[in-house]
Amino acid sequence: DADVTQTPRNRITKTGKRIMLECSQTKGHDRMYWYRQDPGLGLRLIYYSFDVKDINKGEISDGYSVSRQAQAKFSLSLESAIPNQTALYFCATSDRTDLYNEQFFGPGTRLTVL
Amino acid sequence: AQKVTQAQTEISVVEKEDVTLDCVYETRDTTYYLFWYKQPPSGELVFLIRRNSFDEQNEISGRYSWNFQKSTSSFNFTITASQVVDSAVYFCALSGRNTDKLIFGTGTRLQVFP
Repeated sequence: DADVTQTPRNRITKTGKRIMLECSQTKGHDRMYWYRQDPGLGLRLIYYSFDVKDINKGEISDGYSVSRQAQAKFSLSLESAIPNQTALYFCATSDRTDLYNEQFFGPGTRLTVL
Repeated sequence: AQKVTQAQTEISVVEKEDVTLDCVYETRDTTYYLFWYKQPPSGELVFLIRRNSFDEQNEISGRYSWNFQKSTSSFNFTITASQVVDSAVYFCALSGRNTDKLIFGTGTRLQVFP
């Protein structure tokens, strides 16, 4: 079984709809991240969380919110989706004791907003 | 500020050619970590290598090799005798001892033609 899972893997929705992307991990890591990937822009950090009570904005948090329901779960919400939020979304985890801060990525969620 | 530059947006080669993907980074941290990831057409991110700033030894893994040069702030990736299966987007990334974020370059798309 994959260590970092994301649901759904693909989603098509309409402008104005509320969408939630979910991430679960079995690695026991305390740190979790949400990124979006757009063609030619690499991965950009949306939000990150270093433990259940810690939530931090990343580079591009506008239009998104997150919830850390448990150490193993980190959800990303789009309250009112818009077409320019069409992208590939990745969840990642890391271990705070790892000096490299190596991050382990989920398989990605491809979101299309019409 | 930290920054990763992958100036090559797209590279096309014919199978069996050698190809080098460039990565130049900027950081004020004296301790930092560099990574390469591969993103095949299926979309997932595959970890390839990590290197810390104190280890400038070059690394070779099969047909893959990495050249880390602090003097030029570069961490280049060479694929020897490229194969069609090497076709993917390759990302270079940087994290610092004093920052807990992973900064990605914009990626280089490699196409290997038979």
